[in-house]
Amino acid sequence: DVKVTQSSRYLVKRTGEKVFLECVQDMDHENMFWYRQDPGLGLRLIYFSYDVKMKEKGDIPEGYSVSREKKERFSLILESASTNQTSMYLCASSPRGSSTYEQYFGPGTRLTVT
Amino acid sequence: GEDVEQSLFLSVREGDSSVINCTYTDSSSTYLYWYKQEPGAGLQLLTYIFSNMDMKQDQRLTVLLNKKDKHLSLRIADTQTGDSAIYFCAPRRGYSTLTFGKGTMLLVSP
Repeated sequence: DVKVTQSSRYLVKRTGEKVFLECVQDMDHENMFWYRQDPGLGLRLIYFSYDVKMKEKGDIPEGYSVSREKKERFSLILESASTNQTSMYLCASSPRGSSTYEQYFGPGTRLTVT
Repeated sequence: GEDVEQSLFLSVREGDSSVINCTYTDSSSTYLYWYKQEPGAGLQLLTYIFSNMDMKQDQRLTVLLNKKDKHLSLRIADTQTGDSAIYFCAPRRGYSTLTFGKGTMLLVSP
């Protein structure tokens, strides 16, 4: 079974703190994604990566950065957390060259910024 | 960019059929996916349809695609309480990214 794990299920941080959200997949997938999910807005793509050390901006990259130093790990970084970044963060991965490009999701991290 | 629209809420009785509708704007989407999210969990792929198909059936699930109207629907036959979840329509765009709708919350009552 494909497994995508996220470092925390729940996280509470203060405004201005630097926050790291970690995602690890165990299926040797090339593609990895970070989304945020908000009620009434669905999932919005923040950043994605096609390979190690590569990153592409998604639809809402402002206020976020990412790091992909190893193939299995994709980190989302909030340089200076703000209250409007309180959200559910979902990580996903998918294999390159798949006929269906199915994305496999982690369980999510609910981040609260106070 | 792509817009994906879904109704936000659907309520049905156990045993009835559920139909969740989705409209999208990008006619070049080659794959269109349905994902399910149960409470407190991530998303899992339910089914998908390739753009050259009109219909796909997978056990209790039927996906219908009207490319001309850019309309996708998911029918769940004999809906069970365990089907209560949020359902997302997600056309594929570009190389490997998806655009998600806002999700339809399906509530199944006994």
